[in-house]
Amino acid sequence: AQKVTQAQTEISVVEKEDVTLDCVYETRDTTYYLFWYKQPPSGELVFLIRRNSFDEQNEISGRYSWNFQKSTSSFNFTITASQVVDSAVYFCALSEWGGATNKLIFGTGTLLAVQP
Amino acid sequence: SAVISQKPSRDICQRGTSLTIQCQVDSQVTMMFWYRQQPGQSLTLIATANQGSEATYESGFVIDKFPISRPNLTFSTLTVSNMSPEDSSIYLCSVLDYEQYFGPGTRLTVT
Repeated sequence: AQKVTQAQTEISVVEKEDVTLDCVYETRDTTYYLFWYKQPPSGELVFLIRRNSFDEQNEISGRYSWNFQKSTSSFNFTITASQVVDSAVYFCALSEWGGATNKLIFGTGTLLAVQP
Repeated sequence: SAVISQKPSRDICQRGTSLTIQCQVDSQVTMMFWYRQQPGQSLTLIATANQGSEATYESGFVIDKFPISRPNLTFSTLTVSNMSPEDSSIYLCSVLDYEQYFGPGTRLTVT
């Protein structure tokens, strides 16, 4: 069965600190997708990134970076020089590759609070 | 990316009544999804709604409780029937448009 674990329930940092959000997944599939979404207090879910299981290259987008390690089944997300606007719940998710459903399995989320 | 709107944005309903939530997309999409997010919880898929076919429900969700319509490639509705306080959640519509995007959600409170 597929499962996503986000062990960190809440993280509090001070502005300009770097912070890493952990994500560990379980799947029997050899091909799959991994995602990160941001849910600010407004409630809307904002797509951040999708990675496929063949591509283990780290990705950087501005202050955001992602570290995908198949060997440890982890897909961690780092925010560099955090800002108050980064305060949100962050969800990691997993889906099958090329399946009929494209169903997303979400982790329980990590609430990030960035203090000014 | 697809732009998704939902109506209503929030509602407070009485126990035993039903509420229909609308989801509109600004482009034609094959796959639409309905998720539920209970207070302080993660998101759970209710069903997948493809145009021209019956919705596919996940384990624990049934059509009598959550009937779904998908009349065309830009619109879908989810009805929450015979509501109880346990149905108080955020209901989110999602579409697959290369990536999977989500609507703003409908915050439902059942009293």
